[in-house]
Amino acid sequence: DQQVKQNSPSLSVQEGRISILNCDYTNSMFDYFLWYKKYPAEGPTFLISISSIKDKNEDGRFTVFLNKSAKHLSLHIVPSQPGDSAVYFCAASGPLNTNAGKSTFGDGTTLTVKP
Amino acid sequence: DAGVTQSPTHLIKTRGQQVTLRCSPKSGHDTVSWYQQALGQGPQFIFQYYEEEERQRGNFPDRFSGHQFPNYSSELNVNALLLGDSALYLCASSEGLGVGYGYTFGSGTRLTVV
Repeated sequence: DQQVKQNSPSLSVQEGRISILNCDYTNSMFDYFLWYKKYPAEGPTFLISISSIKDKNEDGRFTVFLNKSAKHLSLHIVPSQPGDSAVYFCAASGPLNTNAGKSTFGDGTTLTVKP
Repeated sequence: DAGVTQSPTHLIKTRGQQVTLRCSPKSGHDTVSWYQQALGQGPQFIFQYYEEEERQRGNFPDRFSGHQFPNYSSELNVNALLLGDSALYLCASSEGLGVGYGYTFGSGTRLTVV
């Protein structure tokens, strides 16, 4: 039973447009969510996170939205750049008081930004 | 500032053998977590070490064991290798037990079991 799902294996967008990557989770005990970006032959790199007490977190071109009732989060990249082309992983952790150290990852979405 | 260093980068082992993978965490980090990433899938949590003790463990058999040394570096040992153990093994370090600021991952060790 996969607790974190990224239902779109791939996404292609034009440079300058918005990229929206989606993630669904089933475990209501998760209370912290993260996005990682991975280039080929490298390990994942932390991008942005959000606590369950918030519904939005913004960092430059990257914004993560959390809809707890729908158990859904999304990552918006605006504007998209060719250098954003990578695999994006959604990850969830929690509850933080007992299970802080473990992250459960989705299978990733490959984003391609076309010039 | 060196990030997470893993060795070796690639390894080929025969079914039934044992393997040891090594990880040096990012400077300033004291916690090491190990993940297994099969092709086309996301990383799966194996276990986490803090203060030289295993603090959390994922759904992996006892064939998977680890160790953390006083300098915070860590080893992952896998005994009685199976073909299904072929994967990318990622080491991730962090400051403390939480994931508040995310992990810093190494580039991984690609293990192939033949």
